[in-house]
Amino acid sequence: NAGVTQTPKFQVLKTGQSMTLQCAQDMNHEYMSWYRQDPGMGLRLIHYSVGAGITDQGEVPNGYNVSRSTTEDFPLRLLSAAPSQTSVYFCASSNLISYEQYFGPGTRLTVT
Amino acid sequence: QQQVKQSPQSLIVQKGGISIINCAYENTAFDYFPWYQQFPGKGPALLIAIRPDVSEKKEGRFTISFNKSAKQFSLHIMDSQPGDSATYFCAAITFTGNQFYFGTGTSLTVIP
Repeated sequence: NAGVTQTPKFQVLKTGQSMTLQCAQDMNHEYMSWYRQDPGMGLRLIHYSVGAGITDQGEVPNGYNVSRSTTEDFPLRLLSAAPSQTSVYFCASSNLISYEQYFGPGTRLTVT
Repeated sequence: QQQVKQSPQSLIVQKGGISIINCAYENTAFDYFPWYQQFPGKGPALLIAIRPDVSEKKEGRFTISFNKSAKQFSLHIMDSQPGDSATYFCAAITFTGNQFYFGTGTSLTVIP
């Protein structure tokens, strides 16, 4: 099992550019989520999904879109990148019984 | 508004000592309280978790103490080792809300 995979590992964007962060899991987990991690702020939930076709907003959803067309994949789209979106992004998944979350290795994004 | 408040921000402990990290919450509807361990450049990994109907849970050198009336829970690391040096996050979730809320993290350094 690969667990939770994220691509790319690093990305530099210019202000206004768009991009998609990829996340995939092979554990058949219903629950998938995206977090951003900033110094001194902990992990903050951006969007989450409890199954294919179902998504919802977390604490800090503005500027981000998600979709969940399959159980395995949960991409995060930045519509028009801003310097405030410079962060490390983590994807996680779990089942809806134990809620034991497995995190991916992260994507370090810099917006200039 | 921080749903889960974590302290201290950083902690230095001698090898063999006890490390204690504290978290407090306000929402009495939280159903599950996990602790995560994160090493530099890696995603967080689930360390230990507790549900509010239990006052203590122990796994090896790691213990969660849970005080429901005080709305506080803490992580105790017994016989701390240099390999325990990492950032620790507490978190909480309501099963109906499906949103994880994380503390701001504690950077633990264990000195040999």
